[in-house]
Amino acid sequence: IVLTQSPDTLSLSPGERAALSCRASQSVSSTYLAWYQQKPGQAPRLLIYGASNRANGIPDRFSGTGSGTDFNLTISRLDPEDFAVYYCQQYVSSPVTFGGGTKVEI
Amino acid sequence: QVQLHQWGAGLLKPSETLSLTCAVYGESFSGYYWSWIRQPPGLGLEWIGEINHSGNTNYNPSLKSRVTLSVDISKNQFSLKLTSLTAADTAVYFCARLVGVANFDYWGRGTLVTVSS
Repeated sequence: IVLTQSPDTLSLSPGERAALSCRASQSVSSTYLAWYQQKPGQAPRLLIYGASNRANGIPDRFSGTGSGTDFNLTISRLDPEDFAVYYCQQYVSSPVTFGGGTKVEI
Repeated sequence: QVQLHQWGAGLLKPSETLSLTCAVYGESFSGYYWSWIRQPPGLGLEWIGEINHSGNTNYNPSLKSRVTLSVDISKNQFSLKLTSLTAADTAVYFCARLVGVANFDYWGRGTLVTVSS
């Protein structure tokens, strides 16, 4: 399953809202869709699992929605620490695949 | 708190074999699948494969012919071997735990492997 993320880059300011998209080449059950945040030199961090559930310790400004082939990650008000690359990921069927990433930059 | 500590050679030559090991601390090794994921410099994430405590494996078809995963449950460790290396295998390699049915919740810090003559 190919995951296509858009846009490639999102240029925003702190306090603004970020809307990221992930489109799957075939239907993905929500249970099997996750989002990660990755900062330079670090491993990815799980943000959202099951398309809409925040992982432990993730602030409520992060929210995930979607179903079928279209999924979204929204950051309601960007904090300076939120500027990073975001990836969606599926495991409804092997192999696990990741989207190409969206960079959220200042 | 679960911690994954990984290690292995960082500079290899074309045609050589990559060997990495990941040790799991603070959690039972059983009951989960453990994965390797790589990331070429400046690019996205690619799943390599997974293994559980019984040695059951799943591999990415794109790498299957060159990959072997193994497990040592007595040491809470799992390992990756990737043969016939080329420059295209240059990447940061991460180990990670698969939780539930689909998510990676704990990751190693990553090991940069460079393939160059």
